[in-house]
Formats: sequence, C-alpha cells, structure tokens
Amino acid sequence: AQRVTQPEKLLSVFKGAPVELKCNYSYSGSPELFWYVQYSRQRLQLLLRHISRESIKGFTADLNKGETSFHLKKPFAQEEDSAMYYCALTQSGSNYKLTFGKGTLLTVNP
Amino acid sequence: KAGVTQTPRYLIKTRGQQVTLSCSPISGHRSVSWYQQTPGQGLQFLFEYFSETQRNKGNFPGRFSGRQFSNSRSEMNVSTLELGDSALYLCASSADSLTYEQYFGPGTRLTVT
Repeated sequence: AQRVTQPEKLLSVFKGAPVELKCNYSYSGSPELFWYVQYSRQRLQLLLRHISRESIKGFTADLNKGETSFHLKKPFAQEEDSAMYYCALTQSGSNYKLTFGKGTLLTVNP
Repeated sequence: KAGVTQTPRYLIKTRGQQVTLSCSPISGHRSVSWYQQTPGQGLQFLFEYFSETQRNKGNFPGRFSGRQFSNSRSEMNVSTLELGDSALYLCASSADSLTYEQYFGPGTRLTVT
C-alpha cells in the first residue's frame, strides 16, 4: 500500500528564515511525487512535481529514493508562503489516484 | 478558462438520506477525480472517471458511487448517509492520463445530522 507521511502538523518560522517541510513515503513501485498548496480561502493547487525539477515561488523539492523522502525547501521564507502544504504520491504513469499526506500548516511570522 | 465548479457548495442532510454532488471540470478535461477531506483522515481518494469509465476506486464502501457524462461532468452519490460521511468533497479534473496536474474545485461541504 502506498502511504505519505508528513510528520509536522504545524511549522512556524520567521520571515527570511529557511524552511523545510518534510515528506516521507512508502511505495513499492515507481512513484511520482508532488507538493500541493492551499492558501487561505483558496483552492488546493499544484505547487511542484518532482519530474519537473523546477523551482516554483522559490521552493524546491528533491526526490531521495534511498531515504524515500521528498522534502520541500525554501531558503528564505516570505509571509505569503503561509499556507497548508500537502505532499502527494501517485503511481508513475498514472496521475489519477493521488495519495495525500495529512498536510503541514506553515506560518511565516513577520 | 473557467475553473472546476462544484454544486452545491454546502449541504445538510439527515442520517439515512442520500445525496448527489455535481462537478463540472475545466473545458476540455476528460478526467475527473473525487476526494473526501476530513480532519481525521485528511484527503482520501474516492474514484476517478475518464471518458465515462471508472478507472480507479479508493477504499470506500459501496454506498459511495459516481458517474461521468459524455460532456465530462461528473456526479457522486452517497446513499444511506452516516454521520461519518460529513466531510468536504473535492473534485479535481485533468486533461488526460499523462497530465500530472489536477485542478481542484472549491469543494462541497456535506454535513450529516
């Protein structure tokens, strides 16, 4: 069975500080990993996906298959980064069944 | 393009009743997925439809069912409602099976009393 674990329910940092949101997964096959974000009063939306290897809004995430992790990082947090972040996994080549972690609420304090 | 729309946005039902929720995907999107979101369990996959066929189903009882129409609009139905069915039901659409981005709707908040 596939599982996504986000160990921190809440994470609070100060503006300008580095931030790392942790995500660990268990999956026997070849996974595709994503980070979704939900800002206050907005819809859940895709932030980034590991296959794109891109940086979105200053965030990056590297898939570490050895540690089965896909941590989200940003060197300098901004207040507008405050949101709920969800790590999600799907089977490679099949995007239509996302398994989500329970989310981490990030608060960036001024 | 207009985003994914879900109707109704809020719904209150009584135990034992049934309910139908509707989702209109982004124009041109043929895949529609449904998720249940609760504080305890988080986001859980219900099922996914593509071109009117259910391709995958999550671990929910048979009381949860869905369908997709030829215009890609989708409905999900929950029969014999239980208190535990109270949740936010999210619908997401994507263009095809090789597109990894799912676009989510605002959700339908179902309260069962």
